[in-house]
Amino acid sequence: EVQLVETGGGLIQPGGSLRLSCAASGFTVSSNYMSWVRQAPGKGLEWVSVIYSGGTTYYADSVKGRFTISRDNSKNTLYLQMNSLRVEDTAVYYCASEQPTSGFDSWGQGTLVTVSS
Amino acid sequence: QSVLTQPPSASGTPGQRVTISCSGSSSNIGSNYVYWYRQFPGTAPKLLIYRNNQRPSGVSDRFSGSKSGTSASLAISGLRSEDEADYYCAAWDDSLSGRVFGGGTKLTVL
Repeated sequence: EVQLVETGGGLIQPGGSLRLSCAASGFTVSSNYMSWVRQAPGKGLEWVSVIYSGGTTYYADSVKGRFTISRDNSKNTLYLQMNSLRVEDTAVYYCASEQPTSGFDSWGQGTLVTVSS
Repeated sequence: QSVLTQPPSASGTPGQRVTISCSGSSSNIGSNYVYWYRQFPGTAPKLLIYRNNQRPSGVSDRFSGSKSGTSASLAISGLRSEDEADYYCAAWDDSLSGRVFGGGTKLTVL
């Protein structure tokens, strides 16, 4: 069974850093496209970043230069390093997996990041 | 302001057919596949439609997707109370080099 479990969320002050993890089971992270999608309280979904199976990465303009997506194949885990955090980064962060053009077919339960002083 | 435009709300009565629209541009819907997701409050989204009109295994055939030009739509037939949820469209955007979502449509079953 495919499962994604995010950890690492919490309360952080503006300007701080946080690293989110997404542990995968039932499939190999390096074989799929893996994304982070966030949802601010009461708002819609916002795509954050993707890492392709070949290692290519893309970022939303809102996080470019501040966030870094990566994976550890030996741990079958996806990461999101978030630096220079802003109040507007407050959201539930989901990791999601997809095969090319098949959509986000598996999602984690989400982890809440709150940026506040 | 979302790159893909959806109506903020939609409604219907049980048994009715409801459609939710998603409008984009040549750089996203016009040249890439459209996906639809459903989200219940407090839970993760779930994939309903991929590649414009394909249903994943386990998704009811009451859900169907279509695309024409730079617009797409999700149709739900035989509306049920359990269809009350938020619905999002998504596509890749070539200009932004990223995935874009619609703002979401809250479906109410009257």
